[in-house]
Amino acid sequence: QSGLTQPPSVSGSPGQSVTISCTGTSRDVGGYNYVSWYQQHPGKAPKFIISDVSKRPSGVPDRFSGSKSGNTASLTISGLQADDEADYYCCSPAGSNTYVFGTGTKVTVL
Amino acid sequence: QVRLQESGPGLVKPSETLSLTCSVSGGSISSFYWSWIRQPPGKGLEWIGFVHHSGSTSYNPSLKSRVTFSLDTSKNQFSLKLNSVTAADTAVYFCASEHSWGQFDSWGQGALVTVSS
Repeated sequence: QSGLTQPPSVSGSPGQSVTISCTGTSRDVGGYNYVSWYQQHPGKAPKFIISDVSKRPSGVPDRFSGSKSGNTASLTISGLQADDEADYYCCSPAGSNTYVFGTGTKVTVL
Repeated sequence: QVRLQESGPGLVKPSETLSLTCSVSGGSISSFYWSWIRQPPGKGLEWIGFVHHSGSTSYNPSLKSRVTFSLDTSKNQFSLKLNSVTAADTAVYFCASEHSWGQFDSWGQGALVTVSS
């Protein structure tokens, strides 16, 4: 299993939008509508923010949205806020009851 | 949401076995899936595997030959054993609950395990 490919970093000014891509293959991202996303602040455990490609768990602001096209999933953060500065990881089923995480993206709020 | 807490030795010698336990509160382990995920210092997340409340397991193919999970429903705990460890196994180990496909919705705070002599 290779990690799903994410850009190492993205940045934006407060109030702007940023989009993080998560690229896999037809055996993982492209083959399932179960991509999830996690936010991780330094020294903390990851927090679940998106399930099933685009569903937000209770309590997650609607500034966070997910989508998928083919083998690439995306997370968009709208109205960027200082607290959004964190690492973000995608995750997908990868067949045979296994999962694979993305390589991670650091979001910087300028 | 359930609460999870990892426990175990923070230092393991090379070639020995890493053992961690995850204690679950606020919910029963006799439901859903229970996962282990690790993160080497400064690096990304790696899925290790899950154990279902039925006792069935699934492991990351890259670790499958060295890892074993177990459940103790009487203590509401689940455990990880990783044998023949090397420095590459040094990481923060997280336990997490999984209620549906890839939805790791509750996480422990993480336990740093260092492999060193």
